[in-house]
Amino acid sequence: ETGVTQSPTHLIKTRGQQVTLRCSSQSGHNTVSWYQQALGQGPQFIFQYYREEENGRGNFPPRFSGLQFPNYSSELNVNALELDDSALYLCASSLLRENNSPLHFGNGTRLTVT
Amino acid sequence: GQQVMQIPQYQHVQEGEDFTTYCNSSTTLSNIQWYKQRPGGHPVFLIQLVKSGEVKKQKRLTFQFGEAKKNSSLHITATQTTDVGTYFCAGEEEGAQKLVFGQGTRLTINP
Repeated sequence: ETGVTQSPTHLIKTRGQQVTLRCSSQSGHNTVSWYQQALGQGPQFIFQYYREEENGRGNFPPRFSGLQFPNYSSELNVNALELDDSALYLCASSLLRENNSPLHFGNGTRLTVT
Repeated sequence: GQQVMQIPQYQHVQEGEDFTTYCNSSTTLSNIQWYKQRPGGHPVFLIQLVKSGEVKKQKRLTFQFGEAKKNSSLHITATQTTDVGTYFCAGEEEGAQKLVFGQGTRLTINP
């Protein structure tokens, strides 16, 4: 069973730039959720994708966008980066959430915005 | 919007002592899940509680879901150094399609 993999592991960007983070879901999972975790805080829900469509969104501005592909992998795009976007970005895969299935997290991408 | 609060934020114990973290939601939950995150790692699923008043045990860990399905607790008996990490509760409202995490309780242990 292949777990959730994320790339890159670390990234440094400048304020105003754009970034794309990638996630491959665990085999057999059809739903991907993205979370932002600031240092010392709990993960904050960004959005969830199911069947290539956004299926739930947290309190993040539109410059946070995503995609899910037919193989259930996903991308998180952030435009016009701000210093406060510096955080660990976690991808988690699961079966469709209505079954209350648990989240399986990847190791995350550590984004630093300078 | 839905908020999930955890207390305490930090807890330091001597090895062998017990540990408890409490979780409270501003809204009624369909289920609550607990995760553990080791330093430098990612959250790892521990357990899910669904029924009102449910109690589940995993070796030295006891998880409880409140009768009103708005609060939960995790109790660890006789802590060991391997228990070090941050424990998160995460709650989901019925049909909400999003799991909301608390801010976590960071457990450190003096061997």
